[in-house]
Amino acid sequence: DAGVIQSPRHEVTEMGQEVTLRCKPISGHNSLFWYRQTMMRGLELLIYFNNNVPIDDSGMPEDRFSAKMPNASFSTLKIQPSEPRDSAVYFCASSYREGSYEQYFGPGTRLTVT
Amino acid sequence: AQTVTQSQPEMSVQEAETVTLSCTYDTSESDYYLFWYKQPPSRQMILVIRQEAYKQQNATENRFSVNFQKAAKSFSLKISDSQLGDAAMYFCAYRSARWTGNQFYFGTGTSLTVIP
Repeated sequence: DAGVIQSPRHEVTEMGQEVTLRCKPISGHNSLFWYRQTMMRGLELLIYFNNNVPIDDSGMPEDRFSAKMPNASFSTLKIQPSEPRDSAVYFCASSYREGSYEQYFGPGTRLTVT
Repeated sequence: AQTVTQSQPEMSVQEAETVTLSCTYDTSESDYYLFWYKQPPSRQMILVIRQEAYKQQNATENRFSVNFQKAAKSFSLKISDSQLGDAAMYFCAYRSARWTGNQFYFGTGTSLTVIP
C-alpha cells in the first residue's frame, strides 16, 4: 500500500499565480479531507468529500480556493490567484467513512507564495 | 460543532521518564471515537492510539496508553519510558460515530521535547 500520495511536495510561486495541489487517496477509502497547517492557525479542515461528493466546504477561506474530486482516486485543491498569506503546509488525508478508522495523512505540500 | 482542547502547548520529559499529555473535548453525543496523532519534524502525521467511546477499557499500544474518562470528557495520553524519537507535536482528535458526521476535530497540539 503506497499510502496517500500528494504532489508536489514543495511549491514556490509568485503572488497572483495559480497553484494546483494534487492528492491520490488510499485505494478503497471513500472519504477525503484537505487540511491547511500554519504556526498561527494550527491544523484547519478546508473541505471534505464522501464518495467523491463535497460534504462540508465551510473551511475554505475564500473564493480563491476550490477543490474537486472527479473520481475516487484523485482530488485537487486549487488556489487562484495565490497570495503570500496562503503559504502553509497543505495535507490531504483519506479514510473509510464508517467505523472507528483513522485518517491516513499524506506527506503534505509545503507552499510558499512570494 | 465539537471542540477539542489541548491546554498544554509545550511539554518536556527526561528520557526514560513518563509524561502525560492532556486533552478534553466537548460533545453531546454518546458514541464517538478519539485519537492521538504524532507529528515529528518530518511533518508526517502518524496515528499513535485510538479509543472507542463505548469501550470502558483504556487503549494501550506498547509504551503509549490513554486515560479515557467519558463522564469528564477527558482523554489523556501517557508515554512511558520516553525515547528521543518521541519528540514531536501530538494532536488529540475526535470523530463522531454518526453516519453523517465523519469529519475529525483536532486540538491545537502539544509540542513534546525529550531531554537526553
